[in-house]
Amino acid sequence: ILNVEQSPQSLHVQEGDSTNFTCSFPSSNFYALHWYRWETAKSPEALFVMTLNGDEKKKGRISATLNTKEGYSYLYIKGSQPEDSATYLCAFTEGGSNYKLTFGKGTLLTVNP
Amino acid sequence: NAGVTQTPKFQVLKTGQSMTLQCAQDMNHNSMYWYRQDPGMGLRLIYYSASEGTTDKGEVPNGYNVSRLNKREFSLRLESAAPSQTSVYFCASSPRGEKLFFGSGTQLSVL
Repeated sequence: ILNVEQSPQSLHVQEGDSTNFTCSFPSSNFYALHWYRWETAKSPEALFVMTLNGDEKKKGRISATLNTKEGYSYLYIKGSQPEDSATYLCAFTEGGSNYKLTFGKGTLLTVNP
Repeated sequence: NAGVTQTPKFQVLKTGQSMTLQCAQDMNHNSMYWYRQDPGMGLRLIYYSASEGTTDKGEVPNGYNVSRLNKREFSLRLESAAPSQTSVYFCASSPRGEKLFFGSGTQLSVL
């Protein structure tokens, strides 16, 4: 079983704060790293899919970086808003796995107004 | 387009009963997945199918079977339900290696 770890497990921030979370994954046989946002009572929605070492992706106030050599990815949220409150999941695809996605347990972000 | 459609949305079973969760996608995706969500455990992969005609076990396949009926449909069967299978089940699909599109989930309780 692949080890995909996310930290912290949960995070409370104030509106306007910037924050970041970490996803660590095996550094060998990398294919892709995904980030998803999962709001309560909804289904997960994709934020980013990253495939190359050094990749940086941005969507509005949210951005992500990827380091495949050391096996980690960061997700950043600039100027957090209450609507950013959600669980953020990362998922790792190993090369040669027939596109098997293994998820971490997620980081629960709560943004207080 | 409906995206990924799962049925049923809710189900209550007694221990030992069987049932099939249905999943269909209309996006012409090659890959399809079944995950279960349990408190504190995130999403755990039960089975997946990289393409029509192939299926592979995920992290937690025991007690489940799957059928990739055609490119659109991927069903999950519980032959003899157990209380440990009480969970929320999500089906997802993707073009190969790209982002997943999730269904709305099935809440299953096994008494």
